[in-house]
Amino acid sequence: DTEVTQTPKHLVMGMTNKKSLKCEQHMGHRAMYWYKQKAKKPPELMFVYSYEKLSINESVPSRFSPECPNSSLLNLHLHALQPEDSALYLCASSLREGPTDTQYFGPGTRLTVL
Amino acid sequence: AQSVTQLGSHVSVSEGALVLLRCNYSSSVPPYLFWYVQYPNQGLQLLLKYTTGATLVKGINGFEAEFKKSETSFHLTKPSAHMSDAAEYFCAVAAVYGGSQGNLIFGKGTKLSVKP
Repeated sequence: DTEVTQTPKHLVMGMTNKKSLKCEQHMGHRAMYWYKQKAKKPPELMFVYSYEKLSINESVPSRFSPECPNSSLLNLHLHALQPEDSALYLCASSLREGPTDTQYFGPGTRLTVL
Repeated sequence: AQSVTQLGSHVSVSEGALVLLRCNYSSSVPPYLFWYVQYPNQGLQLLLKYTTGATLVKGINGFEAEFKKSETSFHLTKPSAHMSDAAEYFCAVAAVYGGSQGNLIFGKGTKLSVKP
């Protein structure tokens, strides 16, 4: 099973709302990633968790708050977002955080901020 | 710093024709290179990757890529295009410096259109 699942598939939220994105994998991977992809652009790395610890935070605004409750789950908590945060949010996982490890991507959550 | 450049934001081919998507990399160390495909409103799927060893890498769906160090290239090819190949293709290099090892640095992508 090489599947990464993400919920919800679509999310519309106002600028004052609090919502969460969820990502799950059962491949025994110990590295998990959040990417942001704007329309017609490549994915941009936001956060990396390695062995449930935050490894990389690519200078992402604090209105995005990641959480890794266990080795299979990765959440992204959203609060006070701006319309420019509307994008496709992709989760990925790999066996380890290493340059030769393949990252497996989920289908993404399409977020619209009104 | 490492980077990849994809030449051509949009490539159009006829069904049955050769597909050639170009990717050049910049890296001061031996690179680890990847090609991903993204269908509309979906996540990314790995087509193939080069780490070490054989420079001609075969992937899924009939795609292959050749690592050419002298040309700093990793072009993606498929002998005969199918309509189902229409998608966005991303070339990526894995970072191997500092605390960012393994993170993917993507090119801007090439949209492949296949005409009947």
